[in-house]
This record gives sequence, C-alpha cells and structure tokens, in this order.
Amino acid sequence: DTEVTQTPKHLVMGMTNKKSLKCEQHMGHRAMYWYKQKAKKPPELMFVYSYEKLSINESVPSRFSPECPNSSLLNLHLHALQPEDSALYLCASSQGSGNEQYFGPGTRLTVT
Amino acid sequence: RKEVEQDPGPFNVPEGATVAFNCTYSNSASQSFFWYRQDCRKEPKLLMSVYSSGNEDGRFTAQLNRASQYISLLIRDSKLSDSATYLCVVNERGFQKLVFGTGTRLLVSP
Repeated sequence: DTEVTQTPKHLVMGMTNKKSLKCEQHMGHRAMYWYKQKAKKPPELMFVYSYEKLSINESVPSRFSPECPNSSLLNLHLHALQPEDSALYLCASSQGSGNEQYFGPGTRLTVT
Repeated sequence: RKEVEQDPGPFNVPEGATVAFNCTYSNSASQSFFWYRQDCRKEPKLLMSVYSSGNEDGRFTAQLNRASQYISLLIRDSKLSDSATYLCVVNERGFQKLVFGTGTRLLVSP
C-alpha cells in the first residue's frame, strides 16, 4: 500500500482565517514532506520532517506552520495567508532520505 | 544553470510512436534518480526509479549516464493514456530533498 491521504481536497479561506491541512501515511515511512505547486510549475519543497523532527525549512514564511504529531501524521497550519499563496499543497512521504517519495492527492487552496 | 533541466515540450506524437525524453542534472554528487508522471491537476506519481545499469518496466525504459550527467526515459508504443507531464527528479546525497525538473509535456493523439 503506497497511499498518502490528505484532507481537505479543496479549501477556500479568507486572509484572516486560520485553517489546517492534514496528511496521513501508514507505510511506516520516517520522512514526510510538504510541497507547494503552482500551475504549470514543478512542486516546490517547503518542509521536511525526519523521525518526527523538522529537518528542513526552505525559508517558508511564518504564516505557514508545520506540525508532526506522530510518525504517521503531518499538519500544515495556515494563518493570515495572501492570495498568492493559492496553490496545490502536496504532502509526500518516503522510507528515508534518498528514497522515492509518494505523494498524496493534494489540497487545492484558494485564498480570497 | 538549473539543477535539473528538461525540455518542456510539448511532444506531440501519434499512438504507437516511440518517444524519448532527456534530462540533465548539474550536481555530480547526485545519488538517486527518478521519473514521475503528473496528470493535469493531480499529484505526481512515481513512474520508475533509474538505476546505473538502466532498467525497463513494460513499455518504459530508463537510462542513466553519470559521466554526462543525464537520464533518459523511452516510451515505446505510446498510448493515449500516456499523455501527461513527465518530471525528472534527482535526490542529492545527504539531503532529504528531491530536486524536480520543470517537466516535459507529452501529448499522444489518435
């Protein structure tokens, strides 16, 4: 089973809202990732968690706050977003560094 | 120079054709190589890993040339369902990062 699940599928939020994106995997993978993807562009790495600890933050603005409650779950907390933050947010997981990553279906976020 | 470079295409081919994509990478320390496929408004899906000896999976063949720092993907007997964007992806030793190329768009027509 190579499934990564993400909720919600779609999210529309105002610039003053607070919302959270959720990601879950049950493959026993030890690394989890958040990506942002704009139309016609490749995925852009935001955060990497390894063994439930944040190991990479690609200089992401603080209005995005990741959290890894346990080895299967990854959250992305959103607050005071801007319209340019509208994108597809993808979660991925991998067995370890250097291994192939498996992506969830993504959350399509629109900031109004 | 971009870390991973691909021809964006689109490559327009008829059904049954053979098509090949190349991808170059700049970091000679790169250790892992992959091809992903992404359909419109969907997530990237792993198509195949690329090994030094080359590997084949049905109609798909991937090759790695470390000396010239490029990887290739060959698709034989193209199907309509092969229409997608193909992403060349490279992982760097010691990093938990995948570096994505911009993707090559393939359109297979009847």
